[in-house]
Amino acid sequence: KAGVTQTPRYLIKTRGQQVTLSCSPISGHRSVSWYQQTPGQGLQFLFEYFSETQRNKGNFPGRFSGRQFSNSRSEMNVSTLELGDSALYLCASSFRGQLSSGANVLTFGAGSRLTVL
Amino acid sequence: AQSVTQLGSHVSVSEGALVLLRCNYSSSVPPYLFWYVQYPNQGLQLLLKYTTGATLVKGINGFEAEFKKSETSFHLTKPSAHMSDAAEYFCAVNSNFGNEKLTFGTGTRLTIIP
Repeated sequence: KAGVTQTPRYLIKTRGQQVTLSCSPISGHRSVSWYQQTPGQGLQFLFEYFSETQRNKGNFPGRFSGRQFSNSRSEMNVSTLELGDSALYLCASSFRGQLSSGANVLTFGAGSRLTVL
Repeated sequence: AQSVTQLGSHVSVSEGALVLLRCNYSSSVPPYLFWYVQYPNQGLQLLLKYTTGATLVKGINGFEAEFKKSETSFHLTKPSAHMSDAAEYFCAVNSNFGNEKLTFGTGTRLTIIP
């Protein structure tokens, strides 16, 4: 069973550019969550999508956005990149229904490491 | 609101010694608790989770954790450390019915001394 696949694994951008990261969840998983990991702030929740709808959003500026497609694949976009956006972006999928108890296990991908110069 | 505190950003133990990584949580409702491990240049891998029922939870690679409500703790232990246990460990909590948002601790980097 294939795991969570994130592409690209590494990318370098310059300030002001935008970036799109992709995530393919485990087959059958309909929930996709995104996290940002930095040495200073640790792991921070960005957003969660379920059935193509954003269900929850973390405390990030509007430059961070995402979407989910009908096949559950998800993308996140960061516009007008800043140096502080350099981070490992982790995607996780889970098997949840319409109502989540919060007890579901998140399976993480290997991440996309973004460097902003 | 929910939060997690991991005491000790770095822990070093000798190979074969007991591993103890501390995690305390804050939650206004009964929480679900998780331990994840991260190896260099990889994502997070679930070690174990507590949802309901037995408070002593066994996970992969010989790790276990005990949920103590009175102490709001969920410490991770392993009787005998192995070199392959060197990694970063994260405790996480979710007490939000209706979504999958995890709140993570700041992590503990475990070093194994040969």
